[in-house]
Amino acid sequence: GAGVSQSPSNKVTEKGKDVELRCDPISGHTALYWYRQRLGQGLEFLIYFQGNSAPDKSGLPSDRFSAERTGESVSTLTIQRTQQEDSAVYLCASSSTQAEAFFGQGTRLTVV
Amino acid sequence: RKEVEQDPGPFNVPEGATVAFNCTYSNSASQSFFWYRQDCRKEPKLLMSVYSSGNEDGRFTAQLNRASQYISLLIRDSKLSDSATYLCVVLPSGGSYIPTFGRGTSLIVHP
Repeated sequence: GAGVSQSPSNKVTEKGKDVELRCDPISGHTALYWYRQRLGQGLEFLIYFQGNSAPDKSGLPSDRFSAERTGESVSTLTIQRTQQEDSAVYLCASSSTQAEAFFGQGTRLTVV
Repeated sequence: RKEVEQDPGPFNVPEGATVAFNCTYSNSASQSFFWYRQDCRKEPKLLMSVYSSGNEDGRFTAQLNRASQYISLLIRDSKLSDSATYLCVVLPSGGSYIPTFGRGTSLIVHP
């Protein structure tokens, strides 16, 4: 596609349920990032994928969070046993190496 | 010290005003720098890259001062549509190329 695509755009889930968020990066972009943005706050780095290298998971806030990426294509971010503090917009971005990142429109997650 | 720091504002200016934002970064080995714009409830979008020699794009001018480790964004002849949050982004060199975002500076342009 022309840009980074994320789905779903909105997700409301009950506390304790698992959720899976999807990101389709721009074709040919080797780098993929997940960020979290709470209401009124800045972007918080979660995880970084670069080609077939081991991902940099240093930003994941707890072991309830995990992410996968198959090659240089789709990535999924999974949050297990969701908590209310997980409510935020989850943004995915992709880039060529050392170039600017392009963002998807985000998934707005609300845990009730 | 935070890796990338910005004054959150808000900067409240009238149409036609000139306004400038600064951003400081802590990693002296940082390689690439960008300004992004984020509208309310939208994703960040690239506004412009920042080059060592400084660069201009219409009403927008970006500058980099490596010695003092800051970048700046100057907006001339502000428009109502410039109202947004402006994010400073720093990309380190070597190792993981993870863009670090500042918290953003809020700009409100009023009639």
